[in-house]
This record gives sequence, C-alpha cells and structure tokens, in this order.
Amino acid sequence: RKEVEQDPGPFNVPEGATVAFNCTYSNSASQSFFWYRQDCRKEPKLLMSVYSSGNEDGRFTAQLNRASQYISLLIRDSKLSDSATYLCVALGNEKLTFGTGTRLTIIP
Amino acid sequence: EAGVAQSPRYKIIEKRQSVAFWCNPISGHATLYWYQQILGQGPKLLIQFQNNGVVDDSQLPKDRFSAERLKGVDSTLKIQPAKLEDSAVYLCASSFLSGGNEQFFGPGTRLTVL
Repeated sequence: RKEVEQDPGPFNVPEGATVAFNCTYSNSASQSFFWYRQDCRKEPKLLMSVYSSGNEDGRFTAQLNRASQYISLLIRDSKLSDSATYLCVALGNEKLTFGTGTRLTIIP
Repeated sequence: EAGVAQSPRYKIIEKRQSVAFWCNPISGHATLYWYQQILGQGPKLLIQFQNNGVVDDSQLPKDRFSAERLKGVDSTLKIQPAKLEDSAVYLCASSFLSGGNEQFFGPGTRLTVL
C-alpha cells in the first residue's frame, strides 16, 4: 500500500464548478499535510498547508480527518488557471511523501 | 529573490553512461533535497542534506547514485552507470529548515536514458 494515495484522475470540470479531491495516508504518525500544485512540465509549488481545524484560502478549502486518515481539497468557482496536477503530501520523520497527484482540467 | 537553480535542464544519454546534475539552493536555505519524479508519479525523495551533512538517503540507490554538498551550499547528483529506468525529472528543492518548512523546487533536469 502506498503511503499517500490519490485518485490520479483526470478530472475534467466545467469552469465555475466546484471540485473536490481526496487523499488517504497510511502512516498514522504523519505530523503535517500539504497540497502542492504542479503545472504541466513545471516544478511543484506549495498551494496550502492542511490544518486539523480545516483552513480556507480564497476559493480553496483544505480539511484533515485524522481518525479516517484522509485529507481533502475543495476548489470553488473553478477557473481555467486552476488546471494542474494537485499533489497530496504528508510529513513524517521530517520527510515529505508525495502522492501521485490528481490531474485537473477546467473546461471553458 | 532568486529561486533554486538547476542545470542542465535537459540531458539525453545512453544506458551505462554517467551523468551529473547541479543544484544551487536559495541563499540561506540549510536544507537541500533531491527528488526523482517519474512520469505520472509524484516526486520521490532520494536524499536530504542539512548543511553539508546527509539527513536521509534511505531511498537513494547507492550502487549507482551519489550526491554531495561539500560546502553546504550547492550540490551535485551523479548517476553512474545509468539505466533505462532512471529516465525521469530530477528535482532539487531547498527549505530554510527541515520538517514542515515550505520546500521551494527548482525547474528540474529532465533525463532521458536511451
């Protein structure tokens, strides 16, 4: 079983729609979680950290459920520029473990 | 602020040849990481340095891969000899500290082994 698992997609979503991704992690000792965004043929960039209480940054909302060991990312009012791969990341033993990423395409 | 620099951006070699990649992290960042990203997968950590010391190299195939950060600033990653399955993007990242600090990635080196 992979340490961090994501549905690879692709998710093809019309502009303006709401889309949600889930991610599960196997290491219950994981301390922190993040979502990174990776555009095609570019490097990953931090999108947001994920806090136990849930956190929101504009149109993006991240939530963590430690009991079920999953993390979610919600994108509201999706824009064409949101098209990218979203990588779920867990921090454990000072090491980041990345999921395979979920590919999102926003359709005009 | 200058980002993480990597070179070369692209490299094509034949199997059994050697190759080296270079990374210059963001100034002042103590922690440097090398990742391997195979097409369709997430980045996989190969080695992590804290200044010039190795923190984690548990996933580095040490029979063919080596890395160094002699002066605690820039770093090189070498593959010798290369195999077909080494074809990937090699990403260098740096962070101010280790742990949960944000990692900043360089543009990567795309390696093709023929």
